[in-house]
Formats: sequence, C-alpha cells, structure tokens
Amino acid sequence: DQQVKQNSPSLSVQEGRISILNCDYTNSMFDYFLWYKKYPAEGPTFLISISSIKDKNEDGRFTVFLNKSAKHLSLHIVPSQPGDSAVYFCAASLFGSARQLTFGSGTQLTVLP
Amino acid sequence: GAGVSQTPSNKVTEKGKYVELRCDPISGHTALYWYRQSLGQGPEFLIYFQGTGAADDSGLPNDRFFAVRPEGSVSTLKIQRTERGDSAVYLCASSSNPDSLQAFFGQGTRLTVV
Repeated sequence: DQQVKQNSPSLSVQEGRISILNCDYTNSMFDYFLWYKKYPAEGPTFLISISSIKDKNEDGRFTVFLNKSAKHLSLHIVPSQPGDSAVYFCAASLFGSARQLTFGSGTQLTVLP
Repeated sequence: GAGVSQTPSNKVTEKGKYVELRCDPISGHTALYWYRQSLGQGPEFLIYFQGTGAADDSGLPNDRFFAVRPEGSVSTLKIQRTERGDSAVYLCASSSNPDSLQAFFGQGTRLTVV
C-alpha cells in the first residue's frame, strides 16, 4: 500500500512556462513533506520542504503547496528552465526529520528549450 | 570529500553470494540512512544510524540484510545469500543531526544479482 503517490510518471513543459508536479498521500500523521530532485547517476538532492501546519512554502522559483484536507501537495516551478529536467520525488516524514522518509515513485520532468 | 561517497558504484554478483556496500558520510554528520531504490520506484527506507547504533532498522526486508557503523562514521550494508530480487540501487544519506530534515544522498551503489 503506497502511502505517497505520484501518479504522473512524466511531464513535459516548455522553457519559461510553469511546471506543476503533483503528489498525494494517505497517512494523516505525516508532519513534513519534502521534494527531492534527481539527475541520472546521482543521488537525490533536497529541494524544498513544507510543514504540515503550513499551506505554502516558497524558495526562489520553487513553491510547494499543501492541501491537508485533500491530502495533496504540489510543486510549482516558475519559470521552468532546461536545467530543471530531472526526476522529482515527493517524500513525507513522520518524525520531523530525514529519518524513515516515505517516497513517491517520482515524476520525470523534461523542460523543452 | 565534500559529499557522501558510496563504493562500489556498481556491483554484479551471483545469486547466493555475500556482498558488502560501503558508505562514507559527510564528515561530522552523526545521522546516517540507507535506502533502496528498485527500478521505477522511489527510495525505500532500510535502516537509520545515530552515531554507532542502529536507531531504527524496521525497513530491513529480512535477516539476510545487516548494517554496521562501528566508529560512528563509515557504514557497511551487508547482504547474505543474495537473491535476484535484491537487485536495486542502494542509497546512503547522512545529516548533521537526527533532527535535521535535510539529508544528503550519495550517488548510490547499483547492485545486480545474476
């Protein structure tokens, strides 16, 4: 039973436009949500996080939105750049730390020049 | 080095053999995590160390898997009697303290059991 789901395996966006990556979860006990970005042959790198008591967190071109009632979060990238092309993983924490993160299966984002 | 280092990058082994995968965390990081990523899936938690002790090993799939961190820095993940289903990328991550949300991942070891 997947507790964190990313239903879109891939997404293509034109450079300069907005990329929206979605994630759904089932466990209401998760206290933090994170987004990681992964390039081929590299480990995932932390991008942005949000506490379960917030509904929005912004860092430069990246904004994460959390809708607790819908158990849904999304990552917005504006404007999208070719260097953003990577696999994006949504992850959730039960302990407010990187301990025992639950990851989604990832979305491959391709930003077309 | 500046980041988390994992060796080897790739390991091919025969079914039934024993393998060891090594992780060098970022210097000074007390928390260390092992994850496993199967094809088409996200990373799955295996085990978490705080210092030398395994604080949470609830993600280890069975008793063929074991990990150690004897001096609180380098960690080794050991897999006995490997099976084809163990084929995956094994990721190691570290963080500065157990309360940190941000973990830094290594590039992983791709294990293939033939």
